[in-house]
Amino acid sequence: DTGVSQNPRHKITKRGQNVTFRCDPISEHNRLYWYRQTLGQGPEFLTYFQNEAQLEKSRLLSDRFSAERPKGSFSTLEIQRTEQGDSAMYLCASSRENYGYTFGSGTRLTVV
Amino acid sequence: GESVGLHLPTLSVQEGDNSIINCAYSNSASDYFIWYKQESGKGPQFIIDIRSNMDKRQGQRVTVLLNKTVKHLSLQIAATQPGDSAVYFCAENFDNFGNEKLTFGTGTRLTIIP
Repeated sequence: DTGVSQNPRHKITKRGQNVTFRCDPISEHNRLYWYRQTLGQGPEFLTYFQNEAQLEKSRLLSDRFSAERPKGSFSTLEIQRTEQGDSAMYLCASSRENYGYTFGSGTRLTVV
Repeated sequence: GESVGLHLPTLSVQEGDNSIINCAYSNSASDYFIWYKQESGKGPQFIIDIRSNMDKRQGQRVTVLLNKTVKHLSLQIAATQPGDSAVYFCAENFDNFGNEKLTFGTGTRLTIIP
């Protein structure tokens, strides 16, 4: 068990550019979550996968955001046409049913 | 909408003393609660959880108390150590679809004074 891995750890991008983050969950975990955390706040739910199916999306996930989990293993979160308001820590977590989450260390995005 | 909240944003405790971090929730349908610890630059780390059919649960140096009557959750940390300094979040689950989506509070920053 190597934990939840997120890459990159940090990303600085210019406004208007597209960015993609990757999450590798714990191997036996079938559930995968994306959260966003801004400074001084708790994480906010973005979306959730059970295996490869995306079962829920938050209203926070505008049409510029898309998440995939093509083979039910790793997941990617893409933000198109980034805005300064997208600057945040993007956290991935995974779990098995009826067990608590394990979070990754996050990808810190800075849009300049 | 309903959300999880915390009473105090900061808390300073002398090393070796016990600390209590409080949390209020507003959704009586919530059935699962978790405390997380988050250190700077890291993701939240699971500390302890409790389901709504319990009032108290103990771990190593930590105890979570749940008072459903007043919708209150607390985290007690015994014999605090410098490594306990972090931001602590409570989170609740009230998603009827069973996917365990969590709603987090703002967090309490705990500082251990040597």
